[in-house]
Amino acid sequence: IAGITQAPTSQILAAGRRMTLRCTQDMRHNAMYWYRQDLGLGLRLIHYSNTAGTTGKGEVPDGYSVSRANTDDFPLTLASAVPSQTSVYFCASRAGTGDGYTFGSGTRLTVV
Amino acid sequence: GESVGLHLPTLSVQEGDNSIINCAYSNSASDYFIWYKQESGKGPQFIIDIRSNMDKRQGQRVTVLLNKTVKHLSLQIAATQPGDSAVYFCAEISMDSSYKLIFGSGTRLLVRP
Repeated sequence: IAGITQAPTSQILAAGRRMTLRCTQDMRHNAMYWYRQDLGLGLRLIHYSNTAGTTGKGEVPDGYSVSRANTDDFPLTLASAVPSQTSVYFCASRAGTGDGYTFGSGTRLTVV
Repeated sequence: GESVGLHLPTLSVQEGDNSIINCAYSNSASDYFIWYKQESGKGPQFIIDIRSNMDKRQGQRVTVLLNKTVKHLSLQIAATQPGDSAVYFCAEISMDSSYKLIFGSGTRLLVRP
């Protein structure tokens, strides 16, 4: 089934540890995004990539980094996790300008 | 920034009734809007979209209305069913190079049997 795969589904992480959230899509979409969703709120953009080899910062990029080595993969790295990064992280992709997004099922991250 | 915090507005409706969920957007230059449904533990699911050159669009049991004068969107769900219970978000597409989604504050829809 075409779509977005995120891993892990959930994770408890000690503060100060490094963590990479994985995102893979098989739809050959050009654009990919990482959002975080805090309890009861809408999603906020962390980083994005319009095409392989390019990335950009969103609303809340501090403490996160991304890479886009190929079309399919868009990993999100927390270099040194802090409790305020406890959230649900959603990866999304978009085929073209103005097209609707496809979202993954999310990674629930708890930093303790 | 967000103003809802932990206390999402909640709309409670009787099964079979019609539901209307409202949303205000921020950028008068936005030309594409999407309604999403989010069930507990899942990612947002596309419901319906509308472009700014339209003021109404209908789908299956859902209608989106766009009032550009007051920057307001509404989602109407006909004959609401228990499976419609979820949090609903409106989103606008950013007009910068990211084409990111800018989410409004959500509304929780509870359907009473």
